[in-house]
Amino acid sequence: GQNIDQPTEMTATEGAIVQINCTYQTSGFNGLFWYQQHAGEAPTFLSYNVLDGLEEKGRFSSFLSRSKGYSYLLLKELQMKDSASYLCAVRDSNYQLIWGAGTKLIIKP
Amino acid sequence: IAGITQAPTSQILAAGRRMTLRCTQDMRHNAMYWYRQDLGLGLRLIHYSNTAGTTGKGEVPDGYSVSRANTDDFPLTLASAVPSQTSVYFCASSEEGATGELFFGEGSRLTVL
Repeated sequence: GQNIDQPTEMTATEGAIVQINCTYQTSGFNGLFWYQQHAGEAPTFLSYNVLDGLEEKGRFSSFLSRSKGYSYLLLKELQMKDSASYLCAVRDSNYQLIWGAGTKLIIKP
Repeated sequence: IAGITQAPTSQILAAGRRMTLRCTQDMRHNAMYWYRQDLGLGLRLIHYSNTAGTTGKGEVPDGYSVSRANTDDFPLTLASAVPSQTSVYFCASSEEGATGELFFGEGSRLTVL
């Protein structure tokens, strides 16, 4: 079966760096997405990786290794507003999105 | 403001009743989706539509139906609601192109008693 694994919850300190990991086993691969979802709100797009390597976008970076079925989202200079759930999703060979359950990130002052 | 509008935002419903969740987008996206989100689970696809006039079944379609009469509207109907359909429902659309990122509505919180 298809599976996306990510930690359920993580805690980090304001101003620090945190890495949220995502491992996947899917039928084919056509890209990996990271979305941010604040409590009670809709998910919003953060990043997209289809080739191996690091994609940087401001304080957020996303890394992909297709051979390892692995990605991470790196958040730098953490701010209180970064407290949210981070969803990893993989697009499979049928171009369907398979979603992880999300990682709830708690930022402490 | 461009985007996706869902209605209602919240609803409590008696089991056995019929319910339609409305979704309208003004971005002229061809593809639209309905997901449900439950605690501890990833988003699960209920139904999708790649273009007006066509629909398809997702991962959890039983008990739900959709229609796509035009580009903008994609309503989701629960013919006879059951308590297991208590969830948060998100409508989404995606633009054509390399990433095909999803744009989500604000969600409809449905409680079936």
